[in-house]
Amino acid sequence: EADIYQTPRYLVIGTGKKITLECSQTMGHDKMYWYQQDPGMELHLIHYSYGVNSTEKGDLSSESTVSRIRTEHFPLTLESARPSHTSQYLCASSELGSGRARETQYFGPGTRLLVL
Amino acid sequence: ELKVEQNPLFLSMQEGKNYTIYCNYSTTSDRLYWYRQDPGKSLESLFVLLSNGAVKQEGRLMASLDTKARLSTLHITAAVHDLSATYFCAVGGMNRDDKIIFGKGTRLHILP
Repeated sequence: EADIYQTPRYLVIGTGKKITLECSQTMGHDKMYWYQQDPGMELHLIHYSYGVNSTEKGDLSSESTVSRIRTEHFPLTLESARPSHTSQYLCASSELGSGRARETQYFGPGTRLLVL
Repeated sequence: ELKVEQNPLFLSMQEGKNYTIYCNYSTTSDRLYWYRQDPGKSLESLFVLLSNGAVKQEGRLMASLDTKARLSTLHITAAVHDLSATYFCAVGGMNRDDKIIFGKGTRLHILP
């Protein structure tokens, strides 16, 4: 069973506020990812990291930033929330190893964000 | 650039019937994943397929991979209502650092 946690699980916030979505995993995985997903729709990769001090932008420009100071922690920050940011945010992690089976992504429970 | 296409995107079927979801991808890959997502929930890993001809089964679900055709299938046998969910396939590139690309998902609704 995967041990990957996200907080908060639900967040309602006003436009213009700065928010940070937390993601932590206890599996020692090197790779971590943030996806944005509208209900029932496809996943959009917004940021990923292959290890400490490594971060890359994904395919979706989301006006967010991430940091990876510790292996287990990969927070996502929105500097100024907008209604268009309303969505579900999923964090995932996987090993960066020679065995490809270990590269299965394990997903956190998600954060549902509503920006008013 | 790796692209992943699933079809159908929506599927409504009767309990007891068999059906197949298809996942095509555009460039060479040797790792393919199937996930399930229930409404309002996160993604749950179902299968990992790592070689040509790989077949895995779990209950009424069976996944297979044909790397030459760049095709994976998820077959549902004698569907039951509990299998209603959205199913995603995801494909990784050949290099270790390649991103995993997800398909758009197949929303499966099984009618009692």
